[in-house]
Amino acid sequence: DTGVSQDPRHKITKRGQNVTFRCDPISEHNRLYWYRQTLGQGPEFLTYFQNEAQLEKSRLLSDRFSAERPKGSFSTLEIQRTEQGDSAMYLCASSRPGGLELFFGSGTQLSVL
Amino acid sequence: EDQVTQSPEALRLQEGESSSLNCSYTVSGLRGLFWYRQDPGKGPEFLFTLYSAGEEKEKERLKATLTKKESFLHITAPKPEDSATYLCAVQAPGANNLFFGTGTRLTVIP
Repeated sequence: DTGVSQDPRHKITKRGQNVTFRCDPISEHNRLYWYRQTLGQGPEFLTYFQNEAQLEKSRLLSDRFSAERPKGSFSTLEIQRTEQGDSAMYLCASSRPGGLELFFGSGTQLSVL
Repeated sequence: EDQVTQSPEALRLQEGESSSLNCSYTVSGLRGLFWYRQDPGKGPEFLFTLYSAGEEKEKERLKATLTKKESFLHITAPKPEDSATYLCAVQAPGANNLFFGTGTRLTVIP
């Protein structure tokens, strides 16, 4: 069990640029989640995959955000035309089949200048 | 609407001074209540899952309890390494995700 891996750990970008984050879940976990967390707040749900199917998207996930999980393995989260309000920690989590507990990665800290 | 309220927002304890953190929730039928620990700049680390009122779980100096309206995280004789933000989350029936509170920031002073 190597844990959930996220890359990069930090990303600084200019407003209007596109950014992409990657998440590698725990190998036997079939469910993958993306959350966003700002300072002093708890994580907020963005989207959820079971295997390769994206089954749920939060209303927080604007049209500028897109997530994929090809072949049900790693996932990517892309933000197009970044805005300063997108600055946050983006967390990925995974869970095993039938399990309720989410196991989080260390996150990608995004700063939009 | 599901809500999770954690109190206090911040807590400072002397090393060895036991205390409790509170998590109040309003969920139409609770599937599970979760406690996580989060260190600065890192993702939340899973601690406990509680499923029904009356349930208790322990891990080292931490003990989590659950009633029909709230959960407590009791910290016995804390050490400086217990300093972190403790997050509470709930899952409603039929939901695929966890709904988090804003956390309690614990500082244990040597």
